[in-house]
Amino acid sequence: QSVLTQPPSVSGAPGQRVTISCTGSSSDIGGGSDVHWYQQLPGTAPKLLIYANTYRPSGVPDRFSGSKSGTSASLAISGLQAEDEADYYCQSYDSSMSGLVFGGGTKLTVL
Amino acid sequence: QLQLQQSGPGLVKPSETLSLTCTVSDNSISSSSYFWGWIRQPPGKGLEWIGSIYYSGSSYYNPSLKSRVTMSVDTSKNQFSLKLTSVTAADTAVYYCARWERWVQDLDYWGQGTLVTVSS
Repeated sequence: QSVLTQPPSVSGAPGQRVTISCTGSSSDIGGGSDVHWYQQLPGTAPKLLIYANTYRPSGVPDRFSGSKSGTSASLAISGLQAEDEADYYCQSYDSSMSGLVFGGGTKLTVL
Repeated sequence: QLQLQQSGPGLVKPSETLSLTCTVSDNSISSSSYFWGWIRQPPGKGLEWIGSIYYSGSSYYNPSLKSRVTMSVDTSKNQFSLKLTSVTAADTAVYYCARWERWVQDLDYWGQGTLVTVSS
């Protein structure tokens, strides 16, 4: 049972826009901790996609964007491409255990 | 480009101790800006934070694993390590090491992952 809640799957056609939600609690996201997003392609390590709610590391296309409000956060992917098909995870910091918490992951399928 | 290189056995017997090491390609392991962590992913499942360690040796562990986990750091070798005792089949997973940025609290660099199977 993951601490942060994500939908198990989302899908969209090439060129469309999809969003992935991430819901936490008052001890993590709602407590002011930032949310980070990772993309995991099959058989590879997760890669940092969005950090501190809205920022993209160098090299990440601006088709990826993040937001945070209250106890939730969202990842938006616009202009879907086949190469975006992957698992996406949100992550935050839980102040009650002084550690990191993850969402259960969302599998994105590009139709 | 920072690299984290993992090493350790891919097969561990039940009740024994899982041991993994992560070697950092530069000396940022001694920086006050980073923690160094371990994350695992059971086959077909999501990510689970195991714990993190600071260059000073201060460590934080997931409460669900705390009784079985020990982490250590060797700044002279740019390495940090994980030991997980009394393993069972439920500990079978891909284990990743990663750099945890202290202030932003994201995991910005990851190791390649090591599949550890617990089986006799």
